[in-house]
Amino acid sequence: DTAVSQTPKYLVTQMGNDKSIKCEQNLGHDTMYWYKQDSKKFLKIMFSYNNKELIINETVPNRFSPKSPDKAHLNLHINSLELGDSAVYFCASSHPRAGRSSYNEQFFGPGTRLTVL
Amino acid sequence: QKEVEQNSGPLSVPEGAIASLNCTYSDRGSQSFFWYRQYSGKSPELIMSIYSNGDKEDGRFTAQLNKASQYVSLLIRDSQPSDSATYLCAVNFSGGYNKLIFGAGTRLAVHP
Repeated sequence: DTAVSQTPKYLVTQMGNDKSIKCEQNLGHDTMYWYKQDSKKFLKIMFSYNNKELIINETVPNRFSPKSPDKAHLNLHINSLELGDSAVYFCASSHPRAGRSSYNEQFFGPGTRLTVL
Repeated sequence: QKEVEQNSGPLSVPEGAIASLNCTYSDRGSQSFFWYRQYSGKSPELIMSIYSNGDKEDGRFTAQLNKASQYVSLLIRDSQPSDSATYLCAVNFSGGYNKLIFGAGTRLAVHP
């Protein structure tokens, strides 16, 4: 199946731990994103990579570090986890439609529900 | 501050009726607009994109865009209980880098 996939689906961990979430897309897209959806369901962009280059870096604590080994993969590493990091993290990917960079249809992975205890 | 505003709802409509979901945005230079559907516990699913003023129809869905009024809407005809979900409006703000700003979503409940 062509899709955006994420692992793990659920992640429960203690405060202070370090954890990683992995994302892969086989859609042939050249841009990938990380979003955070908090308990109020508000979806907010965190990072974006285009062909392995970081192009969007929102106001996110530097405990969060994205890494893109190639344009099909985007991982998110979180150091020293805090209670407030509990949320659902979505990976997404996109490719310019009709050659227009602003025509940016983004497709989302299934999400990773992170719970910090 | 770049913003996308939606009425949080819930918007309750009877089965078979037309559901009308509205969204306003703050950046006059925005070029592209999207509607996503999100079922509880699931990921956002793209259902419509619109780039030009006017209407765009796809099956039971019609997206309407008015850039002068900075307004985008989604109409769902013949609403079904399976349409019950949260609908997220997303705007690709000007300034490059394909950054989507999402509204908080409108929860739609279609009752039999």
